[in-house]
Amino acid sequence: GAVVSQHPSWVICKSGTSVKIECRSLDFQATTMFWYRQFPKQSLMLMATSNEGSKATYEQGVEKDKFLINHASLTLSTLTVTSAHPEDSSFYICNLLPRTGLDTQYFGPGTRLTVL
Amino acid sequence: GQQLNQSPQSMFIQEGEDVSMNCTSSSIFNTWLWYKQDPGEGPVLLIALYKAGELTSNGRLTAQFGITRKDSFLNISASIPSDVGIYFCAGKETSGSRLTFGEGTQLTVNP
Repeated sequence: GAVVSQHPSWVICKSGTSVKIECRSLDFQATTMFWYRQFPKQSLMLMATSNEGSKATYEQGVEKDKFLINHASLTLSTLTVTSAHPEDSSFYICNLLPRTGLDTQYFGPGTRLTVL
Repeated sequence: GQQLNQSPQSMFIQEGEDVSMNCTSSSIFNTWLWYKQDPGEGPVLLIALYKAGELTSNGRLTAQFGITRKDSFLNISASIPSDVGIYFCAGKETSGSRLTFGEGTQLTVNP
């Protein structure tokens, strides 16, 4: 099956610092990349969607200046949490839609962010 | 954002028992997906459904795409301890669009 990686798998940072999370597709090209956030014991909530060649579209309530998304290539997307605060502590998961094949989306393994 | 209604929220069963969970939506979906998530990991796709009425199996798992396109169920037969985890349904309105997730069903299997 398709392989998606995320780096780092977990990160602890001080309040006020910025953290960059990378999401890579290892064996396919992704036309659309989604970023989700999941708080403990809750479901996944979509943060933003980025399509090839376009700026990311953010969901209501998600600050685009705080959560910077760069769809760098068809195999790489980055999410940067700027000036992180404790309430940003969460599990961040990317989700990729392959360029070809069935309409199936693949999740990365997630990144656990803890802001002290 | 919009969420699907998934039930039950949690289940505690004995090893060997069958399990059923379902999702309903007020919106029509063209694709239904079922995922399993283990602690600290991303969701893993179990079954994908693309047509109303479709019934698909993957080993001990069976899922169906409701005729109305507003619901889906997942059955697990002869449960085993490694079935423990959170199961999510997800619906997609059109090809390539965002996924809308259910609230999840926490499954516990007692040996």
